[in-house]
Amino acid sequence: QSVLTQPPSASGTPGQRVTISCSGSSSNIGGNSVNWYQQLPGTAPKLLIYSTNQRPSGVPDRFSGSKSGTSASLAISGLQSEDEADYYCAAWDDSLHGNVFGTGTKVTVL
Amino acid sequence: QVQLQESGPGLMKPSETLSLTCTVSGGSISTYYWTWIRQPPGRGLEWIGYIYYTGSTTYNPSLKSRVTISLDTSKNQFSLKLSSVTAADTAVYYCARAGSSLGANAFDIWGQGTMVTVSS
Repeated sequence: QSVLTQPPSASGTPGQRVTISCSGSSSNIGGNSVNWYQQLPGTAPKLLIYSTNQRPSGVPDRFSGSKSGTSASLAISGLQSEDEADYYCAAWDDSLHGNVFGTGTKVTVL
Repeated sequence: QVQLQESGPGLMKPSETLSLTCTVSGGSISTYYWTWIRQPPGRGLEWIGYIYYTGSTTYNPSLKSRVTISLDTSKNQFSLKLSSVTAADTAVYYCARAGSSLGANAFDIWGQGTMVTVSS
């Protein structure tokens, strides 16, 4: 059972901005950094955002992350067809003493 | 370029012990956190646990009683053992690396995953 809650789906037309939320608690998002992963169909997840708002080398600047209190967000601006994927947030949980993932959000490009 | 590759049996029977190996190529296993993550069909990701290069382990509390992660530096491999499996353990199992400059818990390199089915 996931500790971090995400909306099951999000969608937009090409060029639009889409935002995905990730709701947690003081023991995870509230006190630790958040990472985001993109999972294209049939492939392994890929690190998209680390330390809440940093992009690994090679990730387009269309992707951005932020955090406020016990919630985090991933924004995709200038949505493209290749962004159609599942997105997961993740964070360390001090109470569980382990990593927790979000429930996942499927992004559809209309 | 560091690459990870999982290997192990694809089909198991209930009550058996799952054993998977992740081979690390293109870099040394003698640093970083080496991680196992799984994903049941059509569902989300679940962190199983990781082993630090020193041998120190941290496991998901919900699986801790059944999980062992170990390291074989001579072979540049790390392994997962999950005992008393049931159908609920059917999943794609991924190995991954954490602890790079991107953060202690940022999984920056992943294997392609291996499907494990538990069925009688």
